[in-house]
Order: sequence, then structure tokens, then C-alpha cells
Amino acid sequence: DIQMTQTPSSMPASLGERVTISCRASQGISNYLNWYQQKPDGTIKPLIYYTSNLQSGVPSRFSGSGSGTDYSLTISSLEPEDFAMYYCQQYDSSPLTFGSGTKLEIK
Amino acid sequence: QVRLKESGPRLVQPSQTLSVTCTVSGFSVTSYHVSWVRQPPGKGLEWVGAIWKGGSTDYNSALKSRLSISRDTSKNQVFLKMNSLQTDDTGTYYCAKHSIYNNFDYWGQGVMVTVSS
Repeated sequence: DIQMTQTPSSMPASLGERVTISCRASQGISNYLNWYQQKPDGTIKPLIYYTSNLQSGVPSRFSGSGSGTDYSLTISSLEPEDFAMYYCQQYDSSPLTFGSGTKLEIK
Repeated sequence: QVRLKESGPRLVQPSQTLSVTCTVSGFSVTSYHVSWVRQPPGKGLEWVGAIWKGGSTDYNSALKSRLSISRDTSKNQVFLKMNSLQTDDTGTYYCAKHSIYNNFDYWGQGVMVTVSS
């Protein structure tokens, strides 16, 4: 199974700040990497697919990049609604696996 | 409008079988893959398995021996059955639609299942 190591596990940040969350795969995943946001009520929303493609309706302050084993999600300027959990997910091979999550908290 | 809604028991006894139904609308389960994803309380997401649009299935190898995913195309429903439940199977079970780009573009609200006697 491909292990996804996501860092940091939690990140205090301020409104307007630029933040980056990292995700490292245990082997190359050919850019088959997605990102999701989960709110405290459990609602899960897709953000980015295939490393860097913005899901329809997602604000342009979200962006993704990476290749090989290393990927990242960047939020250019934090808005109040961005404080949530974030997960990466690989779909290069079965079983599909998620990172352990990053909790973005208000500083 | 795409919607997925999970339904099932909130409490299951250890060693018993969990049965959860995902009722979808706004798309056909014969046109898009559907996966099950679960989340233990306070922990991360775990892919459980999927039923592909053609009807074949794929399971998380860690759960495969206890798992069955099926569907009723006439009712646009997908079913999850997991037997020999233990306390660490407690969590929220989500169904999610795959997009053509192979991400999960729509999720249900989830159903919280507690395994306890």
C-alpha cells in the first residue's frame, strides 16, 4: 500500500496569511493526487484534482503543485472559512489512501 | 442536483454485521463509480472500497475478508456490508461519487456507526 505522510498535522495561522501543506507518498504516484477540505460538522469538499487542477467552484486562492513523491496545497490568503481539516489522497494504485490530515487553526 | 445519502443502524453489536445503504440522486450508479470511506472518531479518512460503474468491486485489502459492496441499479442505491464488527470499526461511514477526473466530487453527509454491546 502507498503511505501518504502529510505535514504538519496542525498549523496555527492568521487571516490573510499564506500557508502550505505538504504530502509525501511512499513511492512515486505520477501526479495522481487529490486534496479535500473537511469542516467540523463532517462535510467534505473536493479542492484539487490531479495535483493542480482546481475543482469547480473552489476559490482561486487554493492551488496545488508537486510531482513524483512530493505534493503541496497552498492557500494564498486565508479567509475565515478556510480554517478546517485538509487531506491529500492518492489514486495511483489500490487501495486508495489518504494522508493523516492537517488541522488549520486560527492563531 | 447530485446527492448521496447514507442510511443504516447507529449501533451495532460486536461480531455482528453492518449494513449501510447509499441512496444517490442526480446521477446513475451505472455511469459513475461510488466509493465508501470511513472515519473513526477524531481520526483521518480511510478508503473502504468501491463499486465501479460496470459493477465490479475493489476493496481495501485490510478489510477485504469482511467486506461486500453491491448495488441496486433500479433504485440507484449502493450497499456496504461488513461482518465480524469490532469496536475499532466505530466511525462515520461516507459514500462518495467519483468524478471523471478520479477524485471524489460529491460526498454524503455520513452515518455515524457505533460498535458496542
